[in-house]
Amino acid sequence: DAKTTQPTSMDCAEGRAANLPCNHSTISGNEYVYWYRQIHSQGPQYIIHGLKNNETNEMASLIITEDRKSSTLILPHATLRDTAVYYCIVRVATSNDYKLSFGAGTTVTVRA
Amino acid sequence: GAVVSQHPSWVICKSGTSVKIECRSLDFQATTMFWYRQFPKQSLMLMATSNEGSKATYEQGVEKDKFLINHASLTLSTLTVTSAHPEDSSFYICSASDRPYEQYFGPGTRLTVT
Repeated sequence: DAKTTQPTSMDCAEGRAANLPCNHSTISGNEYVYWYRQIHSQGPQYIIHGLKNNETNEMASLIITEDRKSSTLILPHATLRDTAVYYCIVRVATSNDYKLSFGAGTTVTVRA
Repeated sequence: GAVVSQHPSWVICKSGTSVKIECRSLDFQATTMFWYRQFPKQSLMLMATSNEGSKATYEQGVEKDKFLINHASLTLSTLTVTSAHPEDSSFYICSASDRPYEQYFGPGTRLTVT
């Protein structure tokens, strides 16, 4: 699976949009971009995933650049409960490959 | 939907004893379950992958005789830490999947070995 690079940490203000970048310059054509987050002392939570089109759900939006070498997770209105470690993961979603490889992630702190 | 539970949520045991952690998919049948370990301030490290009815596949460096995994049914997998030592103290997290692009995580089990 392609390696990802994320900033170590970032702060954002409550109520504002949080934009989390992720670089995946070696991504292959059949690899998806996944985002998970882990609130302290809990299991990871799925946020969103995409292949090449932008995606939006009730939690966030995922913007993938045209060349697919980077993406941005957008939390539209960050709340204090969004404070967590956010993981960007690139993987092939085939019928025989279920694995997720977690990197260091970005520690996001939402401040009042 | 897609809820995964773990039991216990925390456990303290003495060095040399064995501890069993259960992982259950509550509202779906999990063809594959995963076990991760997470040390403080570190990321999740995959320990093993298990498919119902077959032997688990362990990641490199994980001792299969120490971390026994049983995936007896489509809703239950267990991880037994045998002869636990203080260095096995960690946060153990399971996840379950019934399709390649979705994986649901349990809340984790904090193991402390004294």
